[in-house]
Amino acid sequence: EAGVAQSPRYKIIEKRQSVAFWCNPISGHATLYWYQQILGQGPKLLIQFQNNGVVDDSQLPKDRFSAERLKGVDSTLKIQPAKLEDSAVYLCASSQQQGNTEAFFGQGTRLTVV
Amino acid sequence: AQSVSQHNHHVILSEAASLELGCNYSYGGTVNLFWYVQYPGQHLQLLLKYFSGDPLVKGIKGFEAEFIKSKFSFNLRKPSVQWSDTAEYFCAVIIGDSSASKIIFGSGTRLSIRP
Repeated sequence: EAGVAQSPRYKIIEKRQSVAFWCNPISGHATLYWYQQILGQGPKLLIQFQNNGVVDDSQLPKDRFSAERLKGVDSTLKIQPAKLEDSAVYLCASSQQQGNTEAFFGQGTRLTVV
Repeated sequence: AQSVSQHNHHVILSEAASLELGCNYSYGGTVNLFWYVQYPGQHLQLLLKYFSGDPLVKGIKGFEAEFIKSKFSFNLRKPSVQWSDTAEYFCAVIIGDSSASKIIFGSGTRLSIRP
């Protein structure tokens, strides 16, 4: 079974630039998550999709972050404009459904904003 | 607000020592509990999970965890650690019902094993 695919693995941008990350979840997984993991901290949920609908985006900084999952499969997360404090690893995860099922994680995208 | 606390930020042990990593959560409803592990340079992987039934859960690589509902705890244990257990360990909790559940992670515990 193929895992969660994310690209790129690494990205370095200057502050005020824009960046986009891509995630392809495990086939058939209805729930998709984007997490932000700052060095030394645990993953923080940014946004959660159920199919192509948003379930929770309460911690997404909507003035600069956006995410979509138009066809209910792959997803993109965008930051525009980036700030220094956005430097982190952005993790994508998927699960078969919400509730009592485990989430499978991708390798993550390490973003450095300089 | 719901949260997950891991009080040990960095634990250093010698090989063959016993391990216990603490995890406490703050949520009064039904929870599902996980421990994830992140080996250096790798992605997060599931170590074990508790949904219901026997509160003592056994996972991969000799790890186990015990859910104590009265203490809101889900501590991870291993009787004898190996150098290959060097990794970061994250406790996670699913809160909410199936239509609006979300996974909350603790801040992680870095485990270093001296050979």
